[in-house]
Amino acid sequence: SYVLTQPPSVSVAPGKTAKIACGGNNIGSKSVHWYQKKPGQAPLLVIYYDSDRPSGIPERFSGSTSGSTATLTISRVEAGDEADYYCHVWDGTSDHVVFGGGTKLTVL
Amino acid sequence: QVQLVESGGGVVQPGRSLRLSCAASGFTFRSYGMHWVRQAPGKGLEWVAFISYDGGNQKYADSVQGRFTTSRDNSKNTLYLQMDSLRAEDTAIYYCAKDRAAEVPFYFDFWGQGTLVTVSS
Repeated sequence: SYVLTQPPSVSVAPGKTAKIACGGNNIGSKSVHWYQKKPGQAPLLVIYYDSDRPSGIPERFSGSTSGSTATLTISRVEAGDEADYYCHVWDGTSDHVVFGGGTKLTVL
Repeated sequence: QVQLVESGGGVVQPGRSLRLSCAASGFTFRSYGMHWVRQAPGKGLEWVAFISYDGGNQKYADSVQGRFTTSRDNSKNTLYLQMDSLRAEDTAIYYCAKDRAAEVPFYFDFWGQGTLVTVSS
């Protein structure tokens, strides 16, 4: 089955840039979506179709894909960005939704 | 505004059944596919099931295939998850989520707040 690999944790100082990677075989051929999950809250879509941003999501959030890795970039990180972030694709081969294991973003 | 409200969670013994509901409002429910996603304590998100706009297409994670069934009543704007033969590893918060498309999964654009299912003797 298809596997998405994320680093368990990323730490960044306020005002700096955080990059969260999501690796998968031939991920460039798939559409990658990203969600923010804070404790006690519902997940929130922050990036869809690799790099599109839903209305209401700050421009500080951006997405890209290169080679076998998709990346969520958060610029000018704020304390409120501290959360778990998950990447997601649809694997047509297995007919399954696949999530990455999640990355905990810590704002120092 | 889009609202998804899950209900039906609780404590259940292993091997028993439970049915979750998700009441939808703020959008044309019958026009969109819907999902169930869960998060076990201290774990990541795990997709559980998908159902197309008309109920004609359903997909399940391997971990619940044959034990869980998702359905929908478009006249009541409600999504259901029938969970049978429950196991301790099914303990999780269960979220319903709206897909942006009707017939096949794309991405989840809105989520409910979740309902907790605890499987324990």
